[in-house]
Amino acid sequence: ETGVTQSPTHLIKTRGQQVTLRCSSQSGHNTVSWYQQALGQGPQFIFQYYREEENGRGNFPPRFSGLQFPNYSSELNVNALELDDSALYLCASSFFGRGTEAFFGQGTRLTVV
Amino acid sequence: AQRVTQPEKLLSVFKGAPVELKCNYSYSGSPELFWYVQYSRQRLQLLLRHISRESIKGFTADLNKGETSFHLKKPFAQEEDSAMYYCALSLYSGAGSYQLTFGKGTKLSVIP
Repeated sequence: ETGVTQSPTHLIKTRGQQVTLRCSSQSGHNTVSWYQQALGQGPQFIFQYYREEENGRGNFPPRFSGLQFPNYSSELNVNALELDDSALYLCASSFFGRGTEAFFGQGTRLTVV
Repeated sequence: AQRVTQPEKLLSVFKGAPVELKCNYSYSGSPELFWYVQYSRQRLQLLLRHISRESIKGFTADLNKGETSFHLKKPFAQEEDSAMYYCALSLYSGAGSYQLTFGKGTKLSVIP
């Protein structure tokens, strides 16, 4: 059984650029959630994907978008990067439904300059 | 608005002393609460959830609906308990999905 893996580990982008972050779910899990963790804060929910569709979203603008693939891996895309987008982005995989344990990846550290 | 509050940013205790990490929540429905932990250079992982009522690594947490609290406790702290601890509330976010709302975290430092 493999854990949740994210790539890349670190990334530096310029304001206005676009970025794609990738996540491979834990084997057997069908749901992927993405979180943004700013320095000194707890993770903040961006959105969740199940059956290749977004089915839950936090308070993030549309320039944050995602995809889930048939093998349950996922991408997070951020357009028109802003300085405030600098953060650790966490991917978590789980089974669909309430109360299921979320397994987190190690995160991608994005720096926007 | 539903939220999770962890009032202490940093908590330092001596080895062998009792530990209590505070968590208060604001939620109008029936809450489902978790404690997640992040050890140095490791990923965020589940420590315990209130529905299972189990003790993990000597830690317990009791849901107190009257006080809207879910404090994490351990009678005798160990050095390996030093880590970042996050309290999280599971919230319905539509279409059958649930999201975790995290507190800002408390850094526990156990002094040898």
